[in-house]
Amino acid sequence: GAGVSQSPSNKVTEKGKDVELRCDPISGHTALYWYRQSLGQGLEFLIYFQGNSAPDKSGLPSDRFSAERTGGSVSTLTIQRTQQEDSAVYLCASSPRDRQETQYFGPGTRLLVL
Amino acid sequence: AQKVTQAQTEISVVEKEDVTLDCVYETRDTTYYLFWYKQPPSGELVFLIRRNSFDEQNEISGRYSWNFQKSTSSFNFTITASQVVDSAVYFCALITTGGYNKLIFGAGTRLAVHP
Repeated sequence: GAGVSQSPSNKVTEKGKDVELRCDPISGHTALYWYRQSLGQGLEFLIYFQGNSAPDKSGLPSDRFSAERTGGSVSTLTIQRTQQEDSAVYLCASSPRDRQETQYFGPGTRLLVL
Repeated sequence: AQKVTQAQTEISVVEKEDVTLDCVYETRDTTYYLFWYKQPPSGELVFLIRRNSFDEQNEISGRYSWNFQKSTSSFNFTITASQVVDSAVYFCALITTGGYNKLIFGAGTRLAVHP
């Protein structure tokens, strides 16, 4: 079946602009996760959704970052007033109800803030 | 605190050599899960294996094998008869039961397999 998909694949934006990154999880997966991969910080957890609610937002680096998930499916990660340090690859993952700890990742969105 | 350490930053081998990637973890939880993921040049993280803390049995899948030792808090990964297609960055990761399934990743080991 189809894996996790993310769009856009690449995004170049100017400092101060807002960006939206989209994640479409594997069909039927109840849990959804966002991670960030950057050269200096490695792979970092950002936020976790169970259905439409986010019990763990502990990884969001600042209040410029927000995420939502609607209909228990697609999720959007929004970064407001982007900064150069936001440049990274943003990875989305999903996991099935019966094995929620096993996460399957999408190809990522490479964000470059100029 | 939970932590995963992959001390090997880069490993370079010649095709058909065996190679072991080391992973050491730290957690005070008694129930946890350990993972290995592969990240080829395309960038996508590919799930390889999941192991829970109560199952110390080693696992073999084709040329891949994993050695889990709770006594040394290690979960090492061996590739037998390496191939060029094995070239990738490999990440070891940890989830603890109180952590909302948050994966805690090591820094990764870049493996280069040369013909």
